[in-house]
Amino acid sequence: DAGVIQSPRHEVTEMGQEVTLRCKPISGHDYLFWYRQTMMRGLELLIYFNNNVPIDDSGMPEDRFSAKMPNASFSTLKIQPSEPRDSAVYFCASSLRSGTGELFFGEGSRLTVL
Amino acid sequence: AQTVTQSQPEMSVQEAETVTLSCTYDTSESDYYLFWYKQPPSRQMILVIRQEAYKQQNATENRFSVNFQKAAKSFSLKISDSQLGDAAMYFCAYRSGGQGGSEKLVFGKGTKLTVNP
Repeated sequence: DAGVIQSPRHEVTEMGQEVTLRCKPISGHDYLFWYRQTMMRGLELLIYFNNNVPIDDSGMPEDRFSAKMPNASFSTLKIQPSEPRDSAVYFCASSLRSGTGELFFGEGSRLTVL
Repeated sequence: AQTVTQSQPEMSVQEAETVTLSCTYDTSESDYYLFWYKQPPSRQMILVIRQEAYKQQNATENRFSVNFQKAAKSFSLKISDSQLGDAAMYFCAYRSGGQGGSEKLVFGKGTKLTVNP
């Protein structure tokens, strides 16, 4: 299996622009997670889905952030408008409910908002 | 809510020596999983080792082993015969188990491990 695939690997944008991060989970996995990593706050869960349905979005910072999972093989995290404080590495991960409990992570998308 | 604490922001070890990274957690649940993830400079989060709370036996994976003390809510990672490739950030993580438990992982702030040649 190819693992969790994220794009882009790096994104540099200017404040106020829309940013879309993409994720393809491992085939057959029924859970998908979006995490954000910063030096100050560490790894924070933003939102997670089960069978394409959002289960817990309590970590989404504010209305500027939105996430969708239109099908089992694709998810997006959108920031509109972006702000410098959104600069971070965003990780997507997937897991299998009947599995070992392990989350399989993508390589992350490093976002820099100028 | 569950919390995970890693009290050592940084650790260093000489190549071929042994090092132990500390982790404590807070939970009222009896069924859960604990994990150690490694994050090298490449950024990829890689699972090192996992432990089910109901298992009394400590998990081992080659040079990596844990000391799981459920009553003390402690979950330390021991790396034996340290290698230069072990240099990375190490994160301790908690996940609820059983029916109805949240699937999300709660992470500690991490420990940066340096391996000196």
